[in-house]
Amino acid sequence: GAGVSQSPRYKVAKRGQDVALRCDPISGHVSLFWYQQALGQGPEFLTYFQNEAQLDKSGLPSDRFFAERPEGSVSTLKIQRTQQEDSAVYLCASSRQGGSYNEQFFGPGTRLTVL
Amino acid sequence: GESVGLHLPTLSVQEGDNSIINCAYSNSASDYFIWYKQESGKGPQFIIDIRSNMDKRQGQRVTVLLNKTVKHLSLQIAATQPGDSAVYFCAPGGADSWGKLQFGAGTQVVVTP
Repeated sequence: GAGVSQSPRYKVAKRGQDVALRCDPISGHVSLFWYQQALGQGPEFLTYFQNEAQLDKSGLPSDRFFAERPEGSVSTLKIQRTQQEDSAVYLCASSRQGGSYNEQFFGPGTRLTVL
Repeated sequence: GESVGLHLPTLSVQEGDNSIINCAYSNSASDYFIWYKQESGKGPQFIIDIRSNMDKRQGQRVTVLLNKTVKHLSLQIAATQPGDSAVYFCAPGGADSWGKLQFGAGTQVVVTP
């Protein structure tokens, strides 16, 4: 079945490098979320898109983090000048509609390790 | 910020026994609560949800109880199986317009034979 996919599944970066993480949501899903999950912790909200509009980026930890969804489907999370504290699993989730409650379907995540 | 906490970070359960996972939340504006299961190397998987106007909901082998007075909910798993071994999160939502979820740290459930 066509669930949420993310690539790469694993990424190792040297401190200071830029990285780009991709999310392919379920086809036709309006809402797309990015979460950051540190080791041993629950996912933390980063940002939210409704179609191509980024409606909430309150969870992005710094201006080094940037997300886009230019055509309202695939999304990319970019981290510039990576730091060791950026090491985490980055999860993408999509839901069928916008609005307060719609079931979010999660991808497998991208594990980012910054050396 | 708001906090979501779990009482037991690790729960060891014998196969066939019932499991109870607890969760406290602080945001009284939460309109719904979702339980997710996360296996190693995978994203969270929806288990069951409950709306704030309910106090109990049952699914297949799972029951969620909500006590809004003390801001507490629990997930009960009946006849726990090895495949239930995972980290379980409660995630309140509905305090904003987007469906943003606020996860706690999770409870690791270990099923022993």
